[in-house]
Amino acid sequence: DTAVSQTPKYLVTQMGNDKSIKCEQNLGHDTMYWYKQDSKKFLKIMFSYNNKELIINETVPNRFSPKSPDKAHLNLHINSLELGDSAVYFCASTDDNPGNTIYFGEGSWLTVV
Amino acid sequence: AQTVTQSQPEMSVQEAETVTLSCTYDTSENNYYLFWYKQPPSRQMILVIRQEAYKQQNATENRFSVNFQKAAKSFSLKISDSQLGDTAMYFCAFFEETVFTRLTFGEGTQLTVNP
Repeated sequence: DTAVSQTPKYLVTQMGNDKSIKCEQNLGHDTMYWYKQDSKKFLKIMFSYNNKELIINETVPNRFSPKSPDKAHLNLHINSLELGDSAVYFCASTDDNPGNTIYFGEGSWLTVV
Repeated sequence: AQTVTQSQPEMSVQEAETVTLSCTYDTSENNYYLFWYKQPPSRQMILVIRQEAYKQQNATENRFSVNFQKAAKSFSLKISDSQLGDTAMYFCAFFEETVFTRLTFGEGTQLTVNP
């Protein structure tokens, strides 16, 4: 069983569309993240949730809205997609013990055309 | 804000040889954790090794070991007996032990192992 799973893995869509990426973890972790990896492969945190509560919002445009229906799920909805949103989006999770391993999903490759 | 710097964008090594990837970081925290993650072409993020800042002993995982110099804020990764499967992007990462827990990544080092 995949520990952190994201869907879809690949997504090609037109500018202006709205799309969602879903993430689920079966590790019983309390904290989940969304990271964005740009074309230069730089990984930057976008959001962090702990037990369904938003604790980090890293100056991400309002077009990005995370939602955590329960602590095992963290979805990312993106409105009015722009070319610059093309990237690989990684979901990740960890437990509440500081410094424990953060487990990543396989990434969702978003291409905006 | 914490920063992580990897000064080698690309490196290459011959199969079976040893290579060292550099990483430096900046923090005012005393308790923190350091990681090396590997990202092969599949883009999967794979944990290579983890170091706790309060432990002086360098972490080791099979062919992978680190040289952790806390005073110098340096955390290099040594790969011994390099294998073709080690070809990947390697990211150094810093985990701060505060309320706003997060993993901060360096820019990455693309390692190519040549046959």
